[in-house]
Amino acid sequence: DIQLTQSPSFLSASVGDRVTITCRASQDISSYLAWYQQKPGKAPNLLIYGASTLQSGVPSRFSGSGSGTEFTLTISSLQPEDFATYYCQQLNSYLTWTFGQGTKVEIK
Amino acid sequence: QVQLQESGPGLVRPSQTLSLTCTVSGGSMSSYNHYWSWIRQPAGKGLEWIGRIYTGGSTNYNPSLKSRVTVSIDTSKNQFSLKLSSVTAADTAVYYCARAPPPSYYFDYWGQGTLVTVSS
Repeated sequence: DIQLTQSPSFLSASVGDRVTITCRASQDISSYLAWYQQKPGKAPNLLIYGASTLQSGVPSRFSGSGSGTEFTLTISSLQPEDFATYYCQQLNSYLTWTFGQGTKVEIK
Repeated sequence: QVQLQESGPGLVRPSQTLSLTCTVSGGSMSSYNHYWSWIRQPAGKGLEWIGRIYTGGSTNYNPSLKSRVTVSIDTSKNQFSLKLSSVTAADTAVYYCARAPPPSYYFDYWGQGTLVTVSS
């Protein structure tokens, strides 16, 4: 099974900061990776799919990059509403799907 | 607008079978070549993918749960379902249903989630 490892697990940042979260896959998953944002008590919300395609309605300060085994989610200028937990997910349809363990972004 | 809604008992006794249904509105499931999935999240922990079913009926499951999980679909009712047998307290979680459209199969629509507690 493919394992996804996110780093860091916890991140403390200030409004306006540039934030980068990394997701590493245990084997090549091409660009079959998505990023989600989850706020307390809510279902996750899709941000990025295909590793780098921004979901409709998601602010352009969010971006994704990478392929193969290493991926990043970048928030160019952190806003108050961005404090949340972020998950990556591999979704190769030929394999079982898995999530990373999550990265919690908190206010410094 | 597509909407998904989970339903089922909020309390299940240990060793019993957890049963949940996800009702899809805003379109006919049979019109989509989508995957329909179940995901769970224990309190304070991360997301765990449970399994998926294709509109045509083929299934795939998380290997760690495979022996206890069955996902089924009833397109005439616009529903898909989860059964998890022999539950323990470790199965206590918020359970989400979600839709995954081709070709990238990301989860674009989610239910609001339903808390299932396993306790005697």
